[in-house]
Amino acid sequence: NAGVTQTPKFQVLKTGQSMTLQCAQDMNHEYMSWYRQDPGMGLRLIHYSVGAGITDQGEVPNGYNVSRSTTEDFPLRLLSAAPSQTSVYFCASTPYARHTEAFFGQGTRLTVV
Amino acid sequence: DAKTTQPTSMDCAEGRAANLPCNHSTISGNEYVYWYRQIHSQGPQYIIHGLKNNETNEMASLIITEDRKSSTLILPHATLRDTAVYYCIVLIQGAQKLVFGQGTRLTINP
Repeated sequence: NAGVTQTPKFQVLKTGQSMTLQCAQDMNHEYMSWYRQDPGMGLRLIHYSVGAGITDQGEVPNGYNVSRSTTEDFPLRLLSAAPSQTSVYFCASTPYARHTEAFFGQGTRLTVV
Repeated sequence: DAKTTQPTSMDCAEGRAANLPCNHSTISGNEYVYWYRQIHSQGPQYIIHGLKNNETNEMASLIITEDRKSSTLILPHATLRDTAVYYCIVLIQGAQKLVFGQGTRLTINP
């Protein structure tokens, strides 16, 4: 049981490049979400999904796209990377039930130069 | 969702109980109190949650005041591995959008 797996762990992009951060969970959780964490700050919600085919915006969605074609996968796409998107990105999954804990991946550290 | 207030940092001696306070004076009746922690730069880890009764699990205890306007997370015998940022989060029933504040940076000293 791997839990929540994020790839890659580290990535350097040039301004304007696009890329996809991968997130997969093997716990059959319905709810998945993406957060970013800037240095010295708490996590901020980017996008979330309550099930396959359903996504919604969080607190800081601009510059990011998501899709949820399967229960297991929730990729985050950067359309045109900017230095302001330099951050650590965390994916999380939660059973869609009340009062249960979220499971987080180990993060992807992204640097945009 | 209710806003929470936590001290920026705290220190505790190894082997002693670490008591982390959280104020959530605007909490509503259907909101739960959750605690997570983040060790170094790892992904956050769930610790415990509660509604109005005190809760205990293998990691910690959660004490919620009778008026529910504040709570305390207790790590009974802190170890060096408990050094982390601790987040207090108030979450409405059925919602899963965690709102993280600045948290409390807890340092356990040998």
